[in-house]
This record gives sequence, structure tokens and C-alpha cells, in this order.
Amino acid sequence: QVQLVESGGGVVQPGGSLRLSCAASGFTFSSYGMHWVRQAPGKGLEWVAFIRYDGSNKYYADSVKGRFTISRDNSKNTLYLQMNSLRAEDTAVYYCAKKTHDAFDIWGQGTMVTVSS
Amino acid sequence: IQLTQSPSFLSASVGDRVTITCRASQGISSYLAWYQQKPGKAPKLLIYAASTLQSGVPSRFSGSGSGTEFTLTISSLQPEDFATYYCQQLNSYPYSFGQGTKLEIK
Repeated sequence: QVQLVESGGGVVQPGGSLRLSCAASGFTFSSYGMHWVRQAPGKGLEWVAFIRYDGSNKYYADSVKGRFTISRDNSKNTLYLQMNSLRAEDTAVYYCAKKTHDAFDIWGQGTMVTVSS
Repeated sequence: IQLTQSPSFLSASVGDRVTITCRASQGISSYLAWYQQKPGKAPKLLIYAASTLQSGVPSRFSGSGSGTEFTLTISSLQPEDFATYYCQQLNSYPYSFGQGTKLEIK
């Protein structure tokens, strides 16, 4: 079935780096734009980044611009989020999501990132 | 683009009709989606393009609006509807979400 599975979360010190992965299955991954969305503990949803289906266009939230990089490998049906210079305020559950029509129709289960010393 | 949802908290009973409003700081045409999120779970798409019901979503959910004002209506609350609801604009980057409306059982 259509599925997104995130991995790579964990505990990292401030200033550290982490790479998240999102494995897609059940649909033609290479045909869809993909997004990362995060949710800090007890808070609302925050859009983080987007990559076009072919990787040719990328957009970022101001809060992560210059520190996070979104990428994809269509041969592996996998989306990535490289996170550098991590801060305490980056602590959140990170979701990958597939975009269709004008909405995010498929979401992963999320992976928790904790930035703490 | 800022999205402001009202109310932020809503207490209602099974069978009630409830409406949640989402206001955009500038016009976004009909590029608005609604999601439902339950604790510990990923958001679930309910409505896209302001008023189109996602496949598999019960017909008691409906959306309306365009431009800067939008509404999500649940015609008759069911026990499984108690959750947090978010609106999202997809008119322009950076995409943004409303702050959420927590719907609780009265």
C-alpha cells in the first residue's frame, strides 16, 4: 500500500548534524513533489521544506534556510533531510509528506529529533 | 502568509454541528486544505482546494470559502472526531499552517 516511513531521528547536541530519510512505497515516487513538516512537542505543525519531483526546485522555511538541505534519490524511492547546525528549537517530530492536487495526502509516521546537551 | 484559526479550543457534544474558521493574511484563492490530527499520529487530510472532500473522508465534513476566509464544518460530531484540526495554505511558499483548533468533548 501507499506508505512513507521516516528514519534517522535521535538525540544530537546543539551544533550537531543529523540526516533523516523517508522511504516511499506503493506509488511512483519520482512523479511527486515531497515535503518535510515538523511538530515541536505540544505545538502545531510547521512546514520545513519542499523538493520538486525531479529535484530541480527546492524551497525552505526561513527558520531552517542555510542549515537544512532537502534532497531525493528517485532510484531508491527515498527523500532526505540533512540537518546541520542544529538548535534546541529544532527539537520536533519530523514528518515527510507527499503532495498531490493542492494538499499533502500521504504522511509518514514521523521521526523524533531531540537537540540537547 | 499567516493563517489564524478560530476558535483555538472548542468544547462540543456528540451530535453537535461545529464550525472552525481559518483566516488568511492575504488572498490565497482556494489553495487551502484541512487536516485532522489525533495524539501521537500523523495529520490526516480531510479537505483540499477549500471544499473538495478527500476520498474516504465521511460526508459530515465539509469545507467552504475562498480568498481570505474559510470554514470547516462537521455536521454531526461523532466520538472519533475529537481531535485537533489544522488549516494549511498552498498558495505560495513558504507554505503555512494555522495554529490549530483542539476539539474536545463537553
